[in-house]
Amino acid sequence: NAGVTQTPKFQVLKTGQSMTLQCAQDMNHNSMYWYRQDPGMGLRLIYYSASEGTTDKGEVPNGYNVSRLNKREFSLRLESAAPSQTSVYFCASSEARTSGKLTNEQFFGPGTRLTVL
Amino acid sequence: AQSVTQLDSQVPVFEEAPVELRCNYSSSVSVYLFWYVQYPNQGLQLLLKYLSGSTLVKGINGFEAEFNKSQTSFHLRKPSVHISDTAEYFCAVTLTDSWGKLQFGAGTQVVVTP
Repeated sequence: NAGVTQTPKFQVLKTGQSMTLQCAQDMNHNSMYWYRQDPGMGLRLIYYSASEGTTDKGEVPNGYNVSRLNKREFSLRLESAAPSQTSVYFCASSEARTSGKLTNEQFFGPGTRLTVL
Repeated sequence: AQSVTQLDSQVPVFEEAPVELRCNYSSSVSVYLFWYVQYPNQGLQLLLKYLSGSTLVKGINGFEAEFNKSQTSFHLRKPSVHISDTAEYFCAVTLTDSWGKLQFGAGTQVVVTP
């Protein structure tokens, strides 16, 4: 199993350009997440999808949109990139229950390093 | 809502010395607790988790953590670190009684030197 995969690994954009970050998981998980990681701020949740067909805002959704394409795939779109969106983006997935407990243990992809000039 | 505080942003340590990373949480209800590790230029991997039972939890790579409900803490320890333990470590919490999002701490950077 590949686990959680993300493309691309690196991307440089100019201010105002758009792009879509792709994420796929092969663990048959119901829930998927997009985070951004900035120095000293830990991980901040951008959007999440508790199950196929639903999406919800996290802490920092402004400037982003998401699509849960099917159970496997969850994409993040930047419509008009800004320098403040320079960050490392992580996708994660989870099955809510582990050993019968509602744990929301999450599995992470390798990340996309995005620079907006 | 729950929150997580990691008390140290950076911990320098010599190889083969012990290390302790501190994590405190606040929540009015029961929680599950996690420690994740992030090696340079990689995603996060689960080190260990506390769900229930014994308050001393053992994880991968020789790490362990102790859940202390009265002090609302979940400190991570390793008795003897290696250069390869240089990484960032994140504590995270989620509520037990309903599906919820993981709340992460800001992270602790561990730098192991010879």
